[in-house]
Amino acid sequence: AQSVAQPEDQVNVAEGNPLTVKCTYSVSGNPYLFWYVQYPNRGLQFLLKYITGDNLVKGSYGFEAEFNKSQTSFHLKKPSALVSDSALYFCAVRDMSTGGFKTIFGAGTRLFVKA
Amino acid sequence: DTEVTQTPKHLVMGMTNKKSLKCEQHMGHRAMYWYKQKAKKPPELMFVYSYEKLSINESVPSRFSPECPNSSLLNLHLHALQPEDSALYLCASSQIQGASNQPQHFGDGTRLSIL
Repeated sequence: AQSVAQPEDQVNVAEGNPLTVKCTYSVSGNPYLFWYVQYPNRGLQFLLKYITGDNLVKGSYGFEAEFNKSQTSFHLKKPSALVSDSALYFCAVRDMSTGGFKTIFGAGTRLFVKA
Repeated sequence: DTEVTQTPKHLVMGMTNKKSLKCEQHMGHRAMYWYKQKAKKPPELMFVYSYEKLSINESVPSRFSPECPNSSLLNLHLHALQPEDSALYLCASSQIQGASNQPQHFGDGTRLSIL
């Protein structure tokens, strides 16, 4: 069965410092990995994806993610955090057994950026 | 602004009422989804439509009845709901060609409260 794990319920970082939100995955075959962000009272917004190619993926709002096959990880990073980055972040993988229509989400990590 | 529009934003209903949630997108996406999200939890897939036909039903109780009248619209008909059905209901859409590597576009949801 395919799954993703986000080991941290919450990450706290000071504004201007680098941030990392962790994600590990377990899939059979090649993983199709995504990061989404959810601000209060909003739907999920797509940040970036890894399908194939370069292990460092760049996305929206200055975020990037590093795919590491040997560690089965796909950590989300940003060099300099902003207070406005405070939100709920979900790592996700596509379940290929359903033709790719089903997305399996991690439990989510709440990011707090202090001014 | 989100490209997937959901109405209403909030809905309060009694357990004997019948109501409908509506979702609309004009991105030409032929895959559309309904999710249920409890507070601080990841979205849970309910239904998937591909080419206006129901392709995935995640064993959702029959008091939830989806409908896809055309390629731009998705409805969720509600009847005889229970208090535990109170949640944020999210609609999403995606391209259907290569669905597995396409991000989903989410609406901002309908917050449903069952009295």
